[in-house]
This record gives sequence, structure tokens and C-alpha cells, in this order.
Amino acid sequence: AQSVTQLDSQVPVFEEAPVELRCNYSSSVSVYLFWYVQYPNQGLQLLLKYLSGSTLVKGINGFEAEFNKSQTSFHLRKPSVHISDTAEYFCAVSVFNDYKLSFGAGTTVTVRA
Amino acid sequence: GAGVSQTPSNKVTEKGKYVELRCDPISGHTALYWYRQSLGQGPEFLIYFQGTGAADDSGLPNDRFFAVRPEGSVSTLKIQRTERGDSAVYLCASSQTASGGTDTQYFGPGTRLTVL
Repeated sequence: AQSVTQLDSQVPVFEEAPVELRCNYSSSVSVYLFWYVQYPNQGLQLLLKYLSGSTLVKGINGFEAEFNKSQTSFHLRKPSVHISDTAEYFCAVSVFNDYKLSFGAGTTVTVRA
Repeated sequence: GAGVSQTPSNKVTEKGKYVELRCDPISGHTALYWYRQSLGQGPEFLIYFQGTGAADDSGLPNDRFFAVRPEGSVSTLKIQRTERGDSAVYLCASSQTASGGTDTQYFGPGTRLTVL
């Protein structure tokens, strides 16, 4: 079985500062990796996903993530955040032919002016 | 276009009662998933449908939980003899197919279930 650990439960950050959200996974087989965002009172929305190929994945709203197989990590970054990036962020993993997503506990990002 | 919708958005019930939660997936999506999100945790998988059949129900916690998708579109999650521990947000997602785990799952806003 696979699992996901999000190392930070809360990340406060000032507007226009960079942010990095850490995600580590464990799995005995190859994985697919996802980052979802949940804005207040909204459903989960896909930010980006890694399936194969280039380890640097670019997503919506200026976010990107890098897959590091040796460190079993998939950290999410944004060089300059906005107030509107205040949300909860979830890292998730699936494996080939297993359709369910396994999620981390989430990281709450609060952007302050 | 329309996304995944779930009704009701909130449901308050008493311990021991029966509840039904409804999910309308994106039109044309053949795969449908139910997850449960408890306070302070990430979503946990409950069940997955491919068409009308439950392809994987390994996440259902016990036999009080049951889900159907009789016509391959709308799905209903049914919980019998509710317990306080069932209180959570129930999320539904759909994807166009279920291509080996690579398809993007689109989530609804969830139903918040509170069992008193």
C-alpha cells in the first residue's frame, strides 16, 4: 500500500514571498503524484500531476512541483504568492491500475499582506 | 460546464438513523468515486464505480455503508444505523475513464454529515 506524508500542517507566508509545501510518499511500486487545492467552501481542484517524463511539472496559478524518486518526494512551490492562494493543499498518490487516490493530511497556507 | 454536484450540502441526523447522500457526476464520466474526509485529515477512499458496477469497495468501513449507481450516472451513498463516528464530509469525484489511475478526478463540494 502507498501512503503520503505532508510535513507541514500550517504554513504562514507573506504576500509576494515564495512558498514550498513538502510532500513525501512511500510505495513499493511506481507512483502517480498529484497536488490538489481546496479553497474555502469549495471542492478539491487539481493543481498539477506527475505521471511520467520530466520531473518538473508546471500547474495552474503559477505552481510547480518536482518529482524526486530517490528522495520519494513531490514538493510544491510557488515563487510569489497572492492573498488568493490562501487555501488547503493536499498531496495525493495513486499507482498503476489502482484508481483510488491516497491523500496526505493537508497543509493550510495562509497568505498575509 | 457543470461540475460534480452533491446533495444535500449539509445533513444533520440522529444516531441510529438512515441517511442517503447523492452525487451527480460530470456528464459523460464513466468513473465515480466516494471519499470521506474527517476533520483535520485528508480524504480517504471509500468506493469506486466503473459504469454501474462497484469495481472496488475496499474502503467502505463496514456493512452499514453501501453505495449504488444503477444507471451509470448518479450515485447514492447509503449509511444505515448512523453513529457519531460517521460525522465527516463525504466527497464525490468523477473522471472521464479510469485509465490505470492517471485520469484527473474532479471533486464535488461535499456533503457535511453530522450525527448527533
